[in-house]
Amino acid sequence: DQQVKQNSPSLSVQEGRISILNCDYTNSMFDYFLWYKKYPAEGPTFLISISSIKDKNEDGRFTVFLNKSAKHLSLHIVPSQPGDSAVYFCAASALDYGQNFVFGPGTRLSVLP
Amino acid sequence: EAGVAQSPRYKIIEKRQSVAFWCNPISGHATLYWYQQILGQGPKLLIQFQNNGVVDDSQLPKDRFSAERLKGVDSTLKIQPAKLEDSAVYLCASSLAGAQEQYFGPGTRLTVT
Repeated sequence: DQQVKQNSPSLSVQEGRISILNCDYTNSMFDYFLWYKKYPAEGPTFLISISSIKDKNEDGRFTVFLNKSAKHLSLHIVPSQPGDSAVYFCAASALDYGQNFVFGPGTRLSVLP
Repeated sequence: EAGVAQSPRYKIIEKRQSVAFWCNPISGHATLYWYQQILGQGPKLLIQFQNNGVVDDSQLPKDRFSAERLKGVDSTLKIQPAKLEDSAVYLCASSLAGAQEQYFGPGTRLTVT
């Protein structure tokens, strides 16, 4: 039972263009969401977060959008750079219920020069 | 600031053998997590410590996995006996008490043959 889904295992984007990574969840109690980036042979590193009281959060080139009614969030990277090539994990938690984060399976982003 | 340290980085064992992993969290981080990441999947939480107490071990296969954090700093995760399906990357993460952002170590890649 996958509570957090990232249906695109991989994505290729041209340098300078926008990358859009999608994440869907099934548990309506989830109220806090994180995106992590992972390079090979390294642990995931935190990228950006969003609480369910917001529908958008921006940090530089990274923006996360949350659509609660659709149980969907997306990470936009613009402009995409070759250094953004990594695996991106979406994670969700029902913090108000004291639950820990559930991670999606990840999407491998390749930014082509 | 030193990151989360883990050792060993790689381990190959035969099924039914025992193995132990070590984690040293970021100084001052009260919360420590162990995750299992099977190839092609996202990290799955095995156990969470707050100082030296267990907060959540609901997904830890307790018949073969054990973990401890005796002095509230370093932690060890043990598997005894190992099965083929335990082949995975074992990630340790830490965070400040109450914080959502987790800092991950590089992981230990375990191969069970």
